[in-house]
Amino acid sequence: SQKIEQNSEALNIQEGKTATLTCNYTNYSPAYLQWYRQDPGRGPVFLLLIRENEKEKRKERLKVTFDTTLKQSLFHITASQPADSATYLCALVSGGSYIPTFGRGTSLIVHP
Amino acid sequence: DSGVTQTPKHLITATGQRVTLRCSPRSGDLSVYWYQQSLDQGLQFLIQYYNGEERAKGNILERFSAQQFPDLHSELNLSSLELGDSALYFCASSESGLHSYEQYFGPGTRLTVT
Repeated sequence: SQKIEQNSEALNIQEGKTATLTCNYTNYSPAYLQWYRQDPGRGPVFLLLIRENEKEKRKERLKVTFDTTLKQSLFHITASQPADSATYLCALVSGGSYIPTFGRGTSLIVHP
Repeated sequence: DSGVTQTPKHLITATGQRVTLRCSPRSGDLSVYWYQQSLDQGLQFLIQYYNGEERAKGNILERFSAQQFPDLHSELNLSSLELGDSALYFCASSESGLHSYEQYFGPGTRLTVT
């Protein structure tokens, strides 16, 4: 069956370091993959999209990689700040339905 | 602020009751999506409407229904409520009906069924 896996354990890092979050999937052929940020009790906020034929995408301090062979996406936040503390969700979009399927998210905590 | 509005923000009701959640998409967006988020299930897609027509259906219970009106606002109706329906309900909107390249989420409605 289709599965999206994000680390359920919170990632704790020191301010200024690079945070790396992982999204693994099985039994999907995604057309593209999205990353969202969600703060407690609030709606997800779109951050980045990467297509199946793209290896890497950047936006300011954010970088996403997409390896369709490994079936994995990595999400990096460089020079992390306490304000980056949130839950980060990955979502896969298959070419058939074009409806995002979300992972459970990983909580990031950046300590000052 | 995403530009998507949802009302009410909080709703507390009893089992067996019926409630209606309302969503107004961003100006210009024709698609509305409804999601349910609970602690044990994560963010689950329920249903999508595009320009007034149902376009895609996810794990939506038969007790739940939705519609999109000519002014593009949408309503999600939940009936015969059970304790397990307690969750955050989000609506999201996007420009296109087919490609949800970027979805804009509303602030959510927190439903508590007692």
